[in-house]
Amino acid sequence: EAQVTQNPRYLITVTGKKLTVTCSQNMNHEYMSWYRQDPGLGLRQIYYSMNVEVTDKGDVPEGYKVSRKEKRNFPLILESPSPNQTSLYFCASSFGGGDHEQYFGPGTRLTVT
Amino acid sequence: AQSVTQLDSQVPVFEEAPVELRCNYSSSVSVYLFWYVQYPNQGLQLLLKYLSGSTLVKGINGFEAEFNKSQTSFHLRKPSVHISDTAEYFCAVSDSGTYKYIFGTGTRLKVLA
Repeated sequence: EAQVTQNPRYLITVTGKKLTVTCSQNMNHEYMSWYRQDPGLGLRQIYYSMNVEVTDKGDVPEGYKVSRKEKRNFPLILESPSPNQTSLYFCASSFGGGDHEQYFGPGTRLTVT
Repeated sequence: AQSVTQLDSQVPVFEEAPVELRCNYSSSVSVYLFWYVQYPNQGLQLLLKYLSGSTLVKGINGFEAEFNKSQTSFHLRKPSVHISDTAEYFCAVSDSGTYKYIFGTGTRLKVLA
C-alpha cells in the first residue's frame, strides 16, 4: 500500500531533550516536506526537500533540523525542544514540487513540557 | 510573499444544502491552487487542484472549485452536502517554479442533520 508513515504518533517530552520524528514514504517520491499544524494557524511549512541531500527552509524553520540521506526518509530533528514547539506535525511527499499532489502522513502529536 | 486567506473559520450547514468555502490568495503571478480535506484524527487528502486551463475544477466527493484570476480567489463549492462531509478544509497555493506551499488557516465544515 502506498503510504507515508510517521513515528512516533504521540510523544510527550521535556524541554531540552533532543528528539527525532521519523518519516518514510514508499512511493519513490522526490519531494518531501514537514508541516506543523496549530489551532487558528493552519499548516505551516517547516522544511522541504527536493531530492536526496537537497533541503530548504519553509516559513517556520527555527528550532528544527532535517536531513535527506535516502530518498524514502526525511527525519525531523528537534535538538532542544521548547514548549512553543508543542504541535501536531505532518510529513508529506509528492512526485515533485509546486504542481503535484502531496500525500500526507497520519501526524505526530508532540507535547513539550 | 504569498499568503492565503480563508475567510470563514467555521461553516455550519444543514444536510443536503449547498455550501461554499471561500479562499483568496495574495499574488497574481502564476500559481497552483489546491483544496485539501482533513477528517478528524487523520492527515490531509487532496480534494482538487488547479494548475492551468479550465477555471472550473471538479474534484472528489462532488466538490468543485472555480479559479478567478482577477479576484485572486479559488472558492470551493458543493451543491448538496452530506453528514460525512463534516471535516476541516484547507486551501493551499504554490507559486509556479517554487517548492514552497502556503496553506490557509482552514475552515471547519459542520453538516447538521
